[in-house]
Amino acid sequence: GENVEQHPSTLSVQEGDSAVIKCTYSDSASNYFPWYKQELGKRPQLIIDIRSNVGEKKDQRIAVTLNKTAKHFSLHITETQPEDSAVYFCAATRTNTGFQKLVFGTGTRLLVSP
Amino acid sequence: DAGVIQSPRHEVTEMGQEVTLRCKPISGHDYLFWYRQTMMRGLELLIYFNNNVPIDDSGMPEDRFSAKMPNASFSTLKIQPSEPRDSAVYFCASSFSGDRLQETQYFGPGTRLLVL
Repeated sequence: GENVEQHPSTLSVQEGDSAVIKCTYSDSASNYFPWYKQELGKRPQLIIDIRSNVGEKKDQRIAVTLNKTAKHFSLHITETQPEDSAVYFCAATRTNTGFQKLVFGTGTRLLVSP
Repeated sequence: DAGVIQSPRHEVTEMGQEVTLRCKPISGHDYLFWYRQTMMRGLELLIYFNNNVPIDDSGMPEDRFSAKMPNASFSTLKIQPSEPRDSAVYFCASSFSGDRLQETQYFGPGTRLLVL
């Protein structure tokens, strides 16, 4: 089955800096890669996702890149703000053979200091 | 839509007691998921349903855990008997297969369970 590894486990940056979180996956058939943000005491919420037919996707200050050959994908946050502080989870699954469950990474705790 | 609804939001119980967690998915969603989140193990999928039918319960830790979905708008996760190591936040999530974003799972607010 799919296995997703996520690094780093914690990341501290200064406000305005960029933050990068990386994930690797094991199943070459995986083709859908979402990122969830979980603020302290809150529920995980989808912030961006990417499918295997594209290499990059942007939404304002966040972007995700995908390298299918290397089987890794990354979340990039530019101009970080204190409200970006949260735990970020990556996940992977394949969607072309019917529904498959999402496999989540272990999470990255991002702390943005003012 | 109110989103996924879970109850109770917090539960404190004593070891050996039965615990029942409840979830109401978003109306019209046909997939429902139960997750457990702990610091040590992260976010674990316990079981998921499609059209009220359990599809994969391989994540259920042991026979003390059971889940049901009697209809499209209600599901329960039961722990009997509960143990201190069951202390965690339990999330319910739902998704809709008819949406082009079918893989998007919407999480409920979670139930924070503490077993003493």
